[in-house]
Amino acid sequence: TQLLEQSPQFLSIQEGENLTVYCNSSSVFSSLQWYRQEPGEGPVLLVTVVTGGEVKKLKRLTFQFGDARKDSSLHITAAQPGDTGLYLCGFGNEKLTFGTGTRLTIIP
Amino acid sequence: GAVVSQHPSRVICKSGTSVKIECRSLDFQATTMFWYRQFPKQSLMLMATSNEGSKATYEQGVEKDKFLINHASLTLSTLTVTSAHPEDSSFYICSASALGQGHAYGYTFGSGTRLTVV
Repeated sequence: TQLLEQSPQFLSIQEGENLTVYCNSSSVFSSLQWYRQEPGEGPVLLVTVVTGGEVKKLKRLTFQFGDARKDSSLHITAAQPGDTGLYLCGFGNEKLTFGTGTRLTIIP
Repeated sequence: GAVVSQHPSRVICKSGTSVKIECRSLDFQATTMFWYRQFPKQSLMLMATSNEGSKATYEQGVEKDKFLINHASLTLSTLTVTSAHPEDSSFYICSASALGQGHAYGYTFGSGTRLTVV
């Protein structure tokens, strides 16, 4: 059983559209991290959210941590082909455990 | 920024042989490194935590005699896949965090090793 469920599992949209992906759990986390992984590479950290209700922006990416610190979302505005990749949420103080992942494809 | 180097990036080996994968932190010291496995179109699954100077801690279901981990220094951890079989074919990725920084600053990942067992 995966502690962190991400949805959707796969998403393919046209360039310029907006999208939201979700990371959900029944557990409470002190913090969550979001990573992006491109094919043949390791994941790269995008953001860490710590406070319930926190919103962080990274250019066209907006990350939100749920008030109860059980879930998080990533919203991308005006998606570009360069956003294509596997988006992973993860948690863990001593070791990092990933969610199930969302594979995003932006079609030019 | 922190850099983790993983070698080799690709390896093909014959069934029954052993393969060693290296993970190095290039510009920082890491008492702890992590090894993950990733199957196509899936997320990363944590295999084990590699601790410098002590035994590795394996996740449930991971065979420690199959996947030998050695963390002999603060900058190097190795994963040896022993008696490899085709089902061991996968993408193996290591990660590390800088000494004392833990999760707050994120983990730096290597570029992965694509292992194919024929």
